[in-house]
Amino acid sequence: NAGVTQTPKFRILKIGQSMTLQCTQDMNHNYMYWYRQDPGMGLKLIYYSVGAGITDKGEVPNGYNVSRSTTEDFPLRLELAAPSQTSVYFCASSYATGGTGELFFGEGSRLTVL
Amino acid sequence: AQSVTQLGSHVSVSEGALVLLRCNYSSSVPPYLFWYVQYPNQGLQLLLKYTSAATLVKGINGFEAEFKKSETSFHLTKPSAHMSDAAEYFCAVSEKNDMRFGAGTRLTVKP
Repeated sequence: NAGVTQTPKFRILKIGQSMTLQCTQDMNHNYMYWYRQDPGMGLKLIYYSVGAGITDKGEVPNGYNVSRSTTEDFPLRLELAAPSQTSVYFCASSYATGGTGELFFGEGSRLTVL
Repeated sequence: AQSVTQLGSHVSVSEGALVLLRCNYSSSVPPYLFWYVQYPNQGLQLLLKYTSAATLVKGINGFEAEFKKSETSFHLTKPSAHMSDAAEYFCAVSEKNDMRFGAGTRLTVKP
């Protein structure tokens, strides 16, 4: 069972470059999320989606964009990368409404901006 | 907006000792509360969740947590620590469609 798959696992970017972190899930979950994890800061919500065509901002959306054209895919776009975006990014999905459902996480994508 | 605060970024216990990881929440409505565990270089996995059915919630690997509304707390406990419990633990709260996490507590288990 694949679950939530993120690519790439590691990436180094130069300041000002752009890239897309890919996330796909095969559990037919409506809810999908992007978090970033920084040491001692826990996970911060960047964007989330409650279904195809619907996205909303989380706590720290600046510098990022998302789209949700299908139930399975939820890519995260970084425009004009900055050193502050060096982090580990996690994609997650959930089956339940109202926030009651368990989040299923991918293995993470470690991004370094130099 | 809802939030959680985890008291203590690092907790160290001896193998066989009680594990207590503290979490306090802030929410304007009855919350859904969760504990997740993260092993090195992995994503988070659910340990247990509170969704108002019972105040004492049992999870995997012998962990449990008690919801105390009067104290706005949801502390995680395990009677006897194992070496395999060494990991980072996150408390989380959810009201609507997003989930907010605490800063995490790193648990070290000494032999």
